[in-house]
Amino acid sequence: AQKITQTQPGMFVQEKEAVTLDCTYDTSDPSYGLFWYKQPSSGEMIFLIYQGSYDQQNATEGRYSLNFQKARKSANLVISASQLGDSAMYFCAMREWNAGNMLTFGGGTRLMVKP
Amino acid sequence: DAGVIQSPRHEVTEMGQEVTLRCKPISGHDYLFWYRQTMMRGLELLIYFNNNVPIDDSGMPEDRFSAKMPNASFSTLKIQPSEPRDSAVYFCASTLEAGGPIEQFFGPGTRLTVL
Repeated sequence: AQKITQTQPGMFVQEKEAVTLDCTYDTSDPSYGLFWYKQPSSGEMIFLIYQGSYDQQNATEGRYSLNFQKARKSANLVISASQLGDSAMYFCAMREWNAGNMLTFGGGTRLMVKP
Repeated sequence: DAGVIQSPRHEVTEMGQEVTLRCKPISGHDYLFWYRQTMMRGLELLIYFNNNVPIDDSGMPEDRFSAKMPNASFSTLKIQPSEPRDSAVYFCASTLEAGGPIEQFFGPGTRLTVL
């Protein structure tokens, strides 16, 4: 089974609107962390936001927030007030504490922001 | 800090040739990771090191691939002999030994093309 599933290969959003990128995960480890990375067309991987499995509140970082629903095993990324520079690939990743310090990545979602 | 440094940024070689990719992690980081990114398979972890010791190399595709970390500031990924299917972007990443929201910092990647 896939550990990280991103079901949206591509999405469009209008500039200044909010968008939600989906991520579901599968683990039996009670201790884990979820990460979101952005990969613009230039290719670099940029860390956006982190959510720990024991965190009581949803993580937020500026215009990024993580909608963490532990029972459903989902960790959706919400980008508010989309900007043209948000057009990129977005990857959800998981670190399982019992699996060492490695990250497992989903297949990514390509977000395109329309002016 | 200069971040994770990878060289070369681009490599074009012919099938059968040896290819060596290089990585300098962020100073003080205990973990180093090698990933491969392709359209077909996404981001895959190849191998990772902790304190210069290989911990998990289960992602290394076959014996043609080898990785070393002779010291805390340098790692290599070698492919010998190279094949066209090895064409991909290879990322190196590093992080601190810690739990919690310690993200992996990625280098800019090496784009490898095997003709």
